[in-house]
Amino acid sequence: NAGVTQTPKFQVLKTGQSMTLQCAQDMNHEYMSWYRQDPGMGLRLIHYSVGAGITDQGEVPNGYNVSRSTTEDFPLRLLSAAPSQTSVYFCASRTGTSPYEQYFGPGTRLTVT
Amino acid sequence: RKEVEQDPGPFNVPEGATVAFNCTYSNSASQSFFWYRQDCRKEPKLLMSVYSSGNEDGRFTAQLNRASQYISLLIRDSKLSDSATYLCVVNVNNFNKFYFGSGTKLNVKP
Repeated sequence: NAGVTQTPKFQVLKTGQSMTLQCAQDMNHEYMSWYRQDPGMGLRLIHYSVGAGITDQGEVPNGYNVSRSTTEDFPLRLLSAAPSQTSVYFCASRTGTSPYEQYFGPGTRLTVT
Repeated sequence: RKEVEQDPGPFNVPEGATVAFNCTYSNSASQSFFWYRQDCRKEPKLLMSVYSSGNEDGRFTAQLNRASQYISLLIRDSKLSDSATYLCVVNVNNFNKFYFGSGTKLNVKP
């Protein structure tokens, strides 16, 4: 079973470049989220979606856009990369019912120079 | 103030030891509580949910203290394979938003 997949695994960008991190899940989960993980900070929620066509902001949404055109896919777009966006990005999905377990993708390690 | 606070450790323990981690949360309206495990350079994975009455899963026991706003994780008979970072996760009011602690690192030594 694929679960949650993310591409690419690694990426280096120059300041000002844009790119899209891909996330897909094959579990028919309604809820999907994007987090970033920085040393000493824990995971912080960037954006989330409660279903196709519905997205909302998390704790740290600035500099990122999302869309959810299908249940399976939830891409994260960096509009104009900055060194402060150097981080590990995790996509997660879950069902809408208890116990609300989140399933994470393997992550994308992004470096912005 | 962070929503969730954890002692970063590391906790260095011998095989077979019992070790306990605490995690405090700031919002008294928090509704759901979890422990996740994260291996080095890997994604987090759910270890266990934490229920009001406390719950046990094999060698792992989780407790919730709402009055003092903390949750705990007890690991008995530690194994080398328990070496990882343990993340405390709290959900506040809205089941769409989960707050993660920065994690407690455990090293189990032979």
